[in-house]
Amino acid sequence: NAGVTQTPKFQVLKTGQSMTLQCAQDMNHEYMSWYRQDPGMGLRLIHYSVGAGITDQGEVPNGYNVSRSTTEDFPLRLLSAAPSQTSVYFCASRQTSGEYNEQFFGPGTRLTVL
Amino acid sequence: SQKIEQNSEALNIQEGKTATLTCNYTNYSPAYLQWYRQDPGRGPVFLLLIRENEKEKRKERLKVTFDTTLKQSLFHITASQPADSATYLCAPLPGGYQKVTFGTGTKLQVIP
Repeated sequence: NAGVTQTPKFQVLKTGQSMTLQCAQDMNHEYMSWYRQDPGMGLRLIHYSVGAGITDQGEVPNGYNVSRSTTEDFPLRLLSAAPSQTSVYFCASRQTSGEYNEQFFGPGTRLTVL
Repeated sequence: SQKIEQNSEALNIQEGKTATLTCNYTNYSPAYLQWYRQDPGRGPVFLLLIRENEKEKRKERLKVTFDTTLKQSLFHITASQPADSATYLCAPLPGGYQKVTFGTGTKLQVIP
């Protein structure tokens, strides 16, 4: 059981470039989400999904797109990177029922936009 | 709008003492409240969940309380150790399929 995996671990982009952050989970969790974490700001929810084909916006969705074609994968797309998107990005997944409903987090992607 | 507040200032305590961290929320009616631990450079890790009908929950040296009237949860670490040094995050959790948002976290430093 790999849990939640994220690639890449580190990425440097130039302003205006696009890229996709990959996230996959092998726990058959329905719920998946993307957060960004900046110093002093805590975890802020970007987008989330409650199942394949269903996505919704979180607190800070602007500049990011998501899709969920399978239960396992939930990629995050930056269409035109901006320096304000420099951050650490965490993907997470959880069941929507069960005893604890805890979220399992990936190791993070550290993104720098120059 | 929904708001989750944790003490943004770091909490420094002496080894062996009890650390108490606070999580206040507004415009929420969570069915559960979770606490997570985050070490530098890593993703958060789940510690405890408390339900709205539970006043208190314990796990080893950890204790969580949940007061839905005050809209507050307290997280206690008894007999604290330097290895407890980390950032602790709370997440009021709606039931079912709703989104999960976190407080800003409190950084705990246990001094030997």
